Amino acid sequence: DAKTTQPNSMESNEEEPVHLPCNHSTISGTDYIHWYRQLPSQGPEYVIHGLTSNVNNRMASLAIAEDRKSSTLILHRATLRDAAVYYCILPVNSGGSNYKLTFGKGTLLTVNP
Amino acid sequence: NAGVTQTPKFRILKIGQSMTLQCTQDMNHNYMYWYRQDPGMGLKLIYYSVGAGITDKGEVPNGYNVSRSTTEDFPLRLELAAPSQTSVYFCASSYSSQRGLSYNEQFFGPGTRLTVL
Repeated sequence: DAKTTQPNSMESNEEEPVHLPCNHSTISGTDYIHWYRQLPSQGPEYVIHGLTSNVNNRMASLAIAEDRKSSTLILHRATLRDAAVYYCILPVNSGGSNYKLTFGKGTLLTVNP
Repeated sequence: NAGVTQTPKFRILKIGQSMTLQCTQDMNHNYMYWYRQDPGMGLKLIYYSVGAGITDKGEVPNGYNVSRSTTEDFPLRLELAAPSQTSVYFCASSYSSQRGLSYNEQFFGPGTRLTVL
């Protein structure tokens, strides 16, 4: 199974951009990269996912390295509400065409006012 | 849409007691999942279901049972509660689990915090 490596924690200031890195050196050619986040005392929520090209949505941007061995989640202007644990995930085949998410410890993002 | 709802929010059990954690989704998703999250750790998959009448084990199924009689509901049963089952339990659903599709997005409930003493 392809694994991901993330820093345990990162810190940012409010209204500044945040770049959250993820290494996935054993990624296969067809593995999508997913990001979820978990706000304090809540369930995880989907942030973004991508395959090769950089992706943008209303929450964040995902920059994927050309060799796909790493990616970066970009929050363009961090707010206090963005303080959460961010998980970088490569869905794992659980049989047939079914895939499951495996959550590691993620990166705890602290946003300072 | 209420999304994914879970009851109860909190529960304290004595060793050996049993209980059912309820999970309901109103998004007509065919896939549903149960995870547990121990303090400071990531989520671990307990059981999942790809549709009504079909369930399968995840990483940590021991001590739990599930059933899926309808699309909407996916209850998790603890038969003989043990202190090792003290955790926060999350239910999730998705339209599909196929690789890469946007449908793969999983929607999570707010969780049930269970303590076994």
